[in-house]
Amino acid sequence: DTEVTQTPKHLVMGMTNKKSLKCEQHMGHRAMYWYKQKAKKPPELMFVYSYEKLSINESVPSRFSPECPNSSLLNLHLHALQPEDSALYLCASSQDTGSYEQYFGPGTRLTVT
Amino acid sequence: EDQVTQSPEALRLQEGESSSLNCSYTVSGLRGLFWYRQDPGKGPEFLFTLYSAGEEKEKERLKATLTKKESFLHITAPKPEDSATYLCAVQAPSNTGKLIFGQGTTLQVKP
Repeated sequence: DTEVTQTPKHLVMGMTNKKSLKCEQHMGHRAMYWYKQKAKKPPELMFVYSYEKLSINESVPSRFSPECPNSSLLNLHLHALQPEDSALYLCASSQDTGSYEQYFGPGTRLTVT
Repeated sequence: EDQVTQSPEALRLQEGESSSLNCSYTVSGLRGLFWYRQDPGKGPEFLFTLYSAGEEKEKERLKATLTKKESFLHITAPKPEDSATYLCAVQAPSNTGKLIFGQGTTLQVKP
């Protein structure tokens, strides 16, 4: 099974709201990722967790706060977002951060009003 | 500079008309090249991993090949359901899990 699940599928939030995106995998993978994807563009890396520790933060604004409660779960906490943050947010996982393929979830379509 | 370039940007084929998508890369020490398929509004679906020049992988109507400078995704006798955006990515030399993506090729197969 190579499934990564994400909830919710769609999210509409105001600029003053606080919300969270959730991601789960049960493949025993030790690396998990958050990506942001705008229309007609490739995914853009935001964060990498390796063995439940944050290993990469691609200079993402602090209004995005990642959390890895355990090896199967990954959260992305959102606060005071801007309309330009509207995008498809993708979670992915891989066996490790080495030369391994990443498996993506279906994504959360976020709209900031 | 490490980068990935895909061509063409868009491709229209008639059903059954075979073709190839190109992915050119410049990276110091290839640690893996990956092909993904992405349908509109969905997450990328993993297709293939290639590690060394001369390697080939096949799955149904798709075949991926790798040379020292580029990779090809050959589509044989495509069907309308093969319509999607195909993304190519390479593992960054830092080996931190960061992928360097190309801009993608959007394929439309008409019946």
